[in-house]
Amino acid sequence: NAGVTQTPKFRILKIGQSMTLQCTQDMNHNYMYWYRQDPGMGLKLIYYSVGAGITDKGEVPNGYNVSRSTTEDFPLRLELAAPSQTSVYFCASIRTSGGMNEQFFGPGTRLTVL
Amino acid sequence: AQSVTQLDSQVPVFEEAPVELRCNYSSSVSVYLFWYVQYPNQGLQLLLKYLSGSTLVKGINGFEAEFNKSQTSFHLRKPSVHISDTAEYFCAAMTGTASKLTFGTGTRLQVTL
Repeated sequence: NAGVTQTPKFRILKIGQSMTLQCTQDMNHNYMYWYRQDPGMGLKLIYYSVGAGITDKGEVPNGYNVSRSTTEDFPLRLELAAPSQTSVYFCASIRTSGGMNEQFFGPGTRLTVL
Repeated sequence: AQSVTQLDSQVPVFEEAPVELRCNYSSSVSVYLFWYVQYPNQGLQLLLKYLSGSTLVKGINGFEAEFNKSQTSFHLRKPSVHISDTAEYFCAAMTGTASKLTFGTGTRLQVTL
């Protein structure tokens, strides 16, 4: 299994541009998450999904959108990039059946908005 | 709302010395607790987790943590650190709703010779 994969690894955007951060997991996990990591702030939850077609806001959803059309994919969309969205973004997934209670994380996407 | 506090933002320690990284959580309901490690420019790797049962949990790389319900703490310990343990360590709590994680702000462990 490749686990949780994220693309791209790095990206520089100009203010006002849009982009999609891709996240894919091949572990048949039902729940998926997007976090952002800012220096000294830990990880904050942006959006999460408990299954295909079901998404909900986390702690810091403003400026982002998500969709979950398949179990495997959970893309994060930035519509109008702002400098405040400069951060490292992590995708994670978990299978809630069978006593699995560990979130598996992708390698991250480092985004800079100038 | 769930919160996780890591009081120490940085912990310097000499190689082969013991270390303790502190974590406190706030929750009035059952909670699962985790410690993750992040090496420079990498993702998060699970060190250990407490779900139930024995309050002393052993993880990878010689780390262990003790769950203390009365003090709402989950401190991470290692009896003898190595240079390769230099990394950022995050404590996190999971509550039942959608298995979401709440993270602490992290502790930077710096091991020197």
